[in-house]
Amino acid sequence: DVKVTQSSRYLVKRTGEKVFLECVQDMDHENMFWYRQDPGLGLRLIYFSYDVKMKEKGDIPEGYSVSREKKERFSLILESASTNQTSMYLCASGLLGTGELFFGEGSRLTVL
Amino acid sequence: GQNIDQPTEMTATEGAIVQINCTYQTSGFNGLFWYQQHAGEAPTFLSYNVLDGLEEKGRFSSFLSRSKGYSYLLLKELQMKDSASYLCAVSLEGPGANNLFFGTGTRLTVIP
Repeated sequence: DVKVTQSSRYLVKRTGEKVFLECVQDMDHENMFWYRQDPGLGLRLIYFSYDVKMKEKGDIPEGYSVSREKKERFSLILESASTNQTSMYLCASGLLGTGELFFGEGSRLTVL
Repeated sequence: GQNIDQPTEMTATEGAIVQINCTYQTSGFNGLFWYQQHAGEAPTFLSYNVLDGLEEKGRFSSFLSRSKGYSYLLLKELQMKDSASYLCAVSLEGPGANNLFFGTGTRLTVIP
């Protein structure tokens, strides 16, 4: 079975802190994605990556950065967390050329 | 810009049939996806349409009309476990074509 693992299910951080969200997939997928999910707004794409060291901005990249040093790992970084970044963050991976995504369980971040 | 419309909530009776509609206006199109998401869990892939017509997969079927920008997900013989959110997503054109734009989802409640 495809497995996408996110490092933390629940995090509580303070405004201004640096936050790392880690994601690892075990299916050798080229493509990896970070979404955030908010009530009434659905899933919104933050960043995605087609290959190691490559990244592309999604619809809402402001306030976020990403790192893909290894094919299986895609990290989302909040340089200085703000309260409006309180959300559920979902990582996903998929094979190049297909649209099917496999999601992790999500990381619920609360910024106080 | 991109836009996907689907009803916010629906209620249906166990054993019945329910149709969840989705209309989309997007700058690119490389396929239409349906995902299921139970409360507190990650979205999981249900179906994929790239050509016009009906795709059947057990109790679930999905239909696409590209000329009308319209899709529906049909659930037959509803079971209580089908209570979940159903997310319509469009695969936008681009490298790898994994870039999915999601609607806000339809929360389906199945009642006895």
